[in-house]
Amino acid sequence: DAKTTQPNSMESNEEEPVHLPCNHSTISGTDYIHWYRQLPSQGPEYVIHGLTSNVNNRMASLAIAEDRKSSTLILHRATLRDAAVYYCILRDRASGGSNYKLTFGKGTLLTVNP
Amino acid sequence: NAGVTQTPKFQVLKTGQSMTLQCAQDMNHEYMSWYRQDPGMGLRLIHYSVGAGITDQGEVPNGYNVSRSTTEDFPLRLLSAAPSQTSVYFCASKIGSGNTIYFGEGSWLTVV
Repeated sequence: DAKTTQPNSMESNEEEPVHLPCNHSTISGTDYIHWYRQLPSQGPEYVIHGLTSNVNNRMASLAIAEDRKSSTLILHRATLRDAAVYYCILRDRASGGSNYKLTFGKGTLLTVNP
Repeated sequence: NAGVTQTPKFQVLKTGQSMTLQCAQDMNHEYMSWYRQDPGMGLRLIHYSVGAGITDQGEVPNGYNVSRSTTEDFPLRLLSAAPSQTSVYFCASKIGSGNTIYFGEGSWLTVV
């Protein structure tokens, strides 16, 4: 499986934008880029995913480099409730819907200061 | 919708005891799975199922059994608990063609 590299931790101030980077230099053409986050003492929750184009939803934006070897999760205005561990995960589209084998690394611990 | 429901939330076992962690989902999802998360680590896949009657091993299956007799339920059995199985366990489900995996709130297990 292609691997991802994320910083161990990042800090942000409340109501400021946050850019969480992810490197995936060995990404294949059929890999989706997924982001999940895990709030303290909770299960992971889906944030966003994309393949080639930038994506926006109500939670965040995903900016994907043109060569797809890196991506950035953007939280436009961080709140205290965004403090969590953020995981960048690659999932092979070619394996179809049966692919449960998401590989979670250690992710990035985001601290939001009031 | 309750989503993915796990029980119990907390459990303490003695070494050698057996127990079952329950997982149920009410979204009619074909795919269900169990992960464990050790302190400061990411999640590791234990077992997964692509539908009723079908199960398969994940990354760390030793010491655990699963079955999938219905679409809704996917219990995880610890056959003879060991301290190394002290962890937080997460059940997850996904619709067949979907991209989003839904996780339960976790079951904290301590084996002494």
